Amino acid sequence: GAGVSQTPSNKVTEKGKYVELRCDPISGHTALYWYRQSLGQGPEFLIYFQGTGAADDSGLPNDRFFAVRPEGSVSTLKIQRTERGDSAVYLCASSLAGGATDTQYFGPGTRLTVL
Amino acid sequence: ELKVEQNPLFLSMQEGKNYTIYCNYSTTSDRLYWYRQDPGKSLESLFVLLSNGAVKQEGRLMASLDTKARLSTLHITAAVHDLSATYFCAVDRRTGKSTFGDGTTLTVKP
Repeated sequence: GAGVSQTPSNKVTEKGKYVELRCDPISGHTALYWYRQSLGQGPEFLIYFQGTGAADDSGLPNDRFFAVRPEGSVSTLKIQRTERGDSAVYLCASSLAGGATDTQYFGPGTRLTVL
Repeated sequence: ELKVEQNPLFLSMQEGKNYTIYCNYSTTSDRLYWYRQDPGKSLESLFVLLSNGAVKQEGRLMASLDTKARLSTLHITAAVHDLSATYFCAVDRRTGKSTFGDGTTLTVKP
């Protein structure tokens, strides 16, 4: 079956621009996670959705970052007024229900480069 | 604040040898994960460890968890080139928020 997909795979933008990154989770997975991974580091948690609601958004670095999941499936991570420090690979993962033995399945990521 | 430390960060080993990667975490956690990441690729889940003393094995990899010591190990037996990758451990507290270590980059040489 299809895994987690993310679009675009690469995004190059200029400082100050707005970007949207999309994540399509595995069908039927209610939990969805966004992470950011900088070169040479482990993924850094951004936000976790359970269904349509953000169960934990404590990892969003500031109010330029926002994420939505209006129908409980596809999610969009939105970054306003991008800065060079936002450059990273943005990873999305989904899991069946966020339960005790849940496995997170990761997408291929979107590489964001802010010039 | 939950912190996760892995060591070593870089590991070069010969085929056929055994080695262990260590993952320490700073506060009580409910779940510990091990992932593999190949260069330019996303993360692949290897193991989920839920309780003290848990041990899981898949092929040449074996993971264990000691919650009292806040330590997990990933043991590699008779390494082969195909195991070359970066391995991450991550912990969470059933909140959905996983905290990752910085990874151990393993290179297996013939």
